[in-house]
Amino acid sequence: QKEVEQNSGPLSVPEGAIASLNCTYSDRVSQSFFWYRQYSGKSPELIMSIYSNGDKEDGRFTAQLNKASQYVSLLIRDSQPSDSATYLCAVNKGNNFNKFYFGSGTKLNVKP
Amino acid sequence: EPEVTQTPSHQVTQMGQEVILRCVPISNHLYFYWYRQILGQKVEFLVSFYNNEISEKSEIFDDQFSVERPDGSNFTLKIRSTKLEDSAMYFCASRPDRSSPLHFGNGTRLTVT
Repeated sequence: QKEVEQNSGPLSVPEGAIASLNCTYSDRVSQSFFWYRQYSGKSPELIMSIYSNGDKEDGRFTAQLNKASQYVSLLIRDSQPSDSATYLCAVNKGNNFNKFYFGSGTKLNVKP
Repeated sequence: EPEVTQTPSHQVTQMGQEVILRCVPISNHLYFYWYRQILGQKVEFLVSFYNNEISEKSEIFDDQFSVERPDGSNFTLKIRSTKLEDSAMYFCASRPDRSSPLHFGNGTRLTVT
């Protein structure tokens, strides 16, 4: 079983729509959860961190965490063509902070 | 805003040669990482480094790889005898504490011919 699983996509949404990206993780002791955006050929760029159950909003982005169900999601409101990228879910275990696991990423296409 | 700096941005080398990839983490960060990403594939963990020693390493990080923090600012990844399959983007990352997110450098694209 993979540590972090994401649907590879591509996920296509029209400009202005809400994009919903999902991630599941395998280890219940995971403590810290992150969403990164990666443009082709570039390094991952942090979008959101979330540490406790519930929603966390930052501008057009909302991260949602449900530890009981072991999933994390990212909502992007009013999607823009510039949001087109691969979105990486990352998980940091509580008992092994040395490893920071990435999912394989979901490719998002926002169509003008 | 402080950045993680990686040099060079692109390195071409012949199979069997040694390469050293260099990184300058953010100055107050204590935890350092190397990741690699083969074209079109996921970001893979190689090694973590804390308190001047390796904390964790993956199966990829075999005897051909080594890391060093020689002078308190630089953090290097050495590949002793490169193989074609080492061709990838190598990312250095750092963070100030164990629960913070990683901050990534721009990466070094390594091409082994």
